[in-house]
Amino acid sequence: AQKVTQAQTEISVVEKEDVTLDCVYETRDTTYYLFWYKQPPSGELVFLIRRNSFDEQNEISGRYSWNFQKSTSSFNFTITASQVVDSAVYFCALSEAVNTDKLIFGTGTRLQVFP
Amino acid sequence: DTEVTQTPKHLVMGMTNKKSLKCEQHMGHRAMYWYKQKAKKPPELMFVYSYEKLSINESVPSRFSPECPNSSLLNLHLHALQPEDSALYLCASANGRYSDTGELFFGEGSRLTVL
Repeated sequence: AQKVTQAQTEISVVEKEDVTLDCVYETRDTTYYLFWYKQPPSGELVFLIRRNSFDEQNEISGRYSWNFQKSTSSFNFTITASQVVDSAVYFCALSEAVNTDKLIFGTGTRLQVFP
Repeated sequence: DTEVTQTPKHLVMGMTNKKSLKCEQHMGHRAMYWYKQKAKKPPELMFVYSYEKLSINESVPSRFSPECPNSSLLNLHLHALQPEDSALYLCASANGRYSDTGELFFGEGSRLTVL
């Protein structure tokens, strides 16, 4: 069965610190997709990134970077030089090729960035 | 601003009331989704409509009745709800399969309180 685990419930950092959010997944499919979404206090989930299971290249987008390691079934997210606006709940999610319309979310990590 | 619009933003209803949540997108997306999110929990998939046809029903109780009148609109009709149904109801849309686009666009949600 598919499962996404985000062991960190809450993380607090001071502005300009780097922070890494962990995500570990389980799936029997060889083809699957991993995602990160951000949920600010306003409520809507904002898409950050998608990775498919055949693409293990790490990605960097501005202050954000993602490390995908199939060997450890992990898809970690790092924010460099965090800012107050990064404060939100971050969800890691998984969908499998057999049913790509079903997105399985992890329990989320609440990030608080203090000035 | 989100491109998926949900109304109302807040709804309070009694257990005998009948109400509806509405979702609208004008991005030409072929799939629309209802998710339910309880406080401090991840979103849980309820229904998926693909090309205006119900494609996924995650064993949702019949007191929740989805409707997709056209490709831009998605409704969720509510009847005889229970207090435990109080939650944030999120609508989302997607164009193509995750393998093609990788992005789900979410609305800001309708926060429902059942008294």
